[in-house]
Amino acid sequence: AQRVTQPEKLLSVFKGAPVELKCNYSYSGSPELFWYVQYSRQRLQLLLRHISRESIKGFTADLNKGETSFHLKKPFAQEEDSAMYYCALSGAGGTSYGKLTFGQGTILTVHP
Amino acid sequence: DAGVTQSPTHLIKTRGQQVTLRCSPISGHKSVSWYQQVLGQGPQFIFQYYEKEERGRGNFPDRFSARQFPNYSSELNVNALLLGDSALYLCASLPDLGGTGELFFGEGSRLTVL
Repeated sequence: AQRVTQPEKLLSVFKGAPVELKCNYSYSGSPELFWYVQYSRQRLQLLLRHISRESIKGFTADLNKGETSFHLKKPFAQEEDSAMYYCALSGAGGTSYGKLTFGQGTILTVHP
Repeated sequence: DAGVTQSPTHLIKTRGQQVTLRCSPISGHKSVSWYQQVLGQGPQFIFQYYEKEERGRGNFPDRFSARQFPNYSSELNVNALLLGDSALYLCASLPDLGGTGELFFGEGSRLTVL
């Protein structure tokens, strides 16, 4: 069975500090990994996906197949980064994208 | 530009009743997925529809059913409601198969079962 684990429900950092949100997964096959974010009073939205290998709002995430991890990192956190972050997994392509398995989420709070 | 819209936004039902939730995807999007989000948990996949056909079902009992209409809108039905069905029900749309895989979510329908 596929599973996504986010070990931290809450994470607090100060503005300007580095931040890392952890995500581990289990999946038999080649998964695609995503980070979704929900800002206060907004709907859930895609932050980044591992295939695109891009940096969004200063965040990056590297897929480590050996450790089955997809941790989200930002070198200098900003107050506007405060939000709920979900790591999610799907099979590769096609309708698999619509069948995401989500982690429990991590609430990130960035203090001034 | 309207995003994914869901109705109703909030509703209260009693145990044993039935509920229908509605979703309109972004114009041009052909795939709709439904998720259940219980308080304190991440969304859990219920159904996916593409071109009016079911393309996937999560680990939910037969009390849960859904359908997609020719205009790509969708309904989720839950029969014989239980207290444990209280949750936020999210709808998400995809433009087509493949692509970037970005799911576009609605704001959800919050169901309370008393």
